[in-house]
Amino acid sequence: DTEVTQTPKHLVMGMTNKKSLKCEQHMGHRAMYWYKQKAKKPPELMFVYSYEKLSINESVPSRFSPECPNSSLLNLHLHALQPEDSALYLCASSQERQGSANIQYFGAGTRLSVL
Amino acid sequence: GDSVTQMEGPVTLSEEAFLTINCTYTATGYPSLFWYVQYPGEGLQLLLKATKADDKGSNKGFEATYRKETTSFHLEKGSVQVSDSAVYFCALGAGGTSYGKLTFGQGTILTVHP
Repeated sequence: DTEVTQTPKHLVMGMTNKKSLKCEQHMGHRAMYWYKQKAKKPPELMFVYSYEKLSINESVPSRFSPECPNSSLLNLHLHALQPEDSALYLCASSQERQGSANIQYFGAGTRLSVL
Repeated sequence: GDSVTQMEGPVTLSEEAFLTINCTYTATGYPSLFWYVQYPGEGLQLLLKATKADDKGSNKGFEATYRKETTSFHLEKGSVQVSDSAVYFCALGAGGTSYGKLTFGQGTILTVHP
């Protein structure tokens, strides 16, 4: 089973709302990732967690707050977003962070619209 | 820094035509190379990978060979189907201090007509 599950599939929020995206994997992977993907563009890395610790933050604005409560779960908390934050948010996981041959497995994404 | 240059699209083919999508890369060290595919409304799926020079990755009729001398990883398929219509991303997995990062090309939209 190589499944990464993301919820919700779609989310509409106002600029003053607080919401959270959830990502779950049961493959025993110890690295988890958040990406942002705009239409017709490649995914852009936002955060990397390794062994439940944040190891890479790609200078993401503080209105995005990641959390890794345990090795299977990754959350992305959203607050005071801007319309330009509307995008597809993808979660991925891999066995480890280290090792260039590590395969990242992606979820189907959450399509976020900020009004 | 690392970079991936991918053939611009969109690419439109008739069913059973031959497909090539070009991908070249710039990297230090010994990266791994990947092709991911994204079907409409879905996340990315790994299509194939190669971890060292001269490795050939293959899956579902698609092939790509890791060519260190030309820094290329071109995707090919001998006979495309309508169901192959999707966006294809070439990606590089780096080592060194960039562990955990995938560098993607810009993506190529493929449309196959019956």
